[in-house]
Amino acid sequence: GAGVSQSPSNKVTEKGKDVELRCDPISGHTALYWYRQRLGQGLEFLIYFQGNSAPDKSGLPSDRFSAERTGESVSTLTIQRTQQEDSAVYLCASSLKPSIGADTQYFGPGTRLTVL
Amino acid sequence: AQSVTQLGSHVSVSEGALVLLRCNYSSSVPPYLFWYVQYPNQGLQLLLKYTSAATLVKGINGFEAEFKKSETSFHLTKPSAHMSDAAEYFCAVRDGSGNTPLVFGKGTRLSVIA
Repeated sequence: GAGVSQSPSNKVTEKGKDVELRCDPISGHTALYWYRQRLGQGLEFLIYFQGNSAPDKSGLPSDRFSAERTGESVSTLTIQRTQQEDSAVYLCASSLKPSIGADTQYFGPGTRLTVL
Repeated sequence: AQSVTQLGSHVSVSEGALVLLRCNYSSSVPPYLFWYVQYPNQGLQLLLKYTSAATLVKGINGFEAEFKKSETSFHLTKPSAHMSDAAEYFCAVRDGSGNTPLVFGKGTRLSVIA
């Protein structure tokens, strides 16, 4: 079946512009996660959606970052007034049974964001 | 709070040699532990995970990992490296409560020399 897809695969923008990154999770997966991977670093958690519950936004680095998810489908991560330090690969993951600790997260290929 | 330490940001082995990638975790409750692999310009793929069913976990591509509670470790091994194993490897931890994101280590880049 289809995996997690993300678009665009690459995005180059100028400092100060807004960007939107999209994630399509695996069909039927109730949980969706956004992570950020900066060069030479591990993955940093950004935000987590689970069904109709309020999202866990505890990882968002500033109020310039926001995300939405429509039901159990597509999610959009928006970065306003981009800064050079926002340059990173943004990874999306989805999972089926997030209440189970051993639940596997399935990752998309990521969006590489470059802020000039 | 949970954390993961991966010793060695870069490991280089010869083709056919043993692969050992180290991971130590910190968790206040029994953890669930994961190893993911990331090939260039790709997303992360699950290699294996520890779910408390067995301390020695076998994964894909001939990799395995052993959970050692006394050492708070979950090192990844493969008896014989292949050129196709060259990639970035990430260890991650999640506590038993679920409904939480994974906490990742900084990753170890594995190079395989012919």
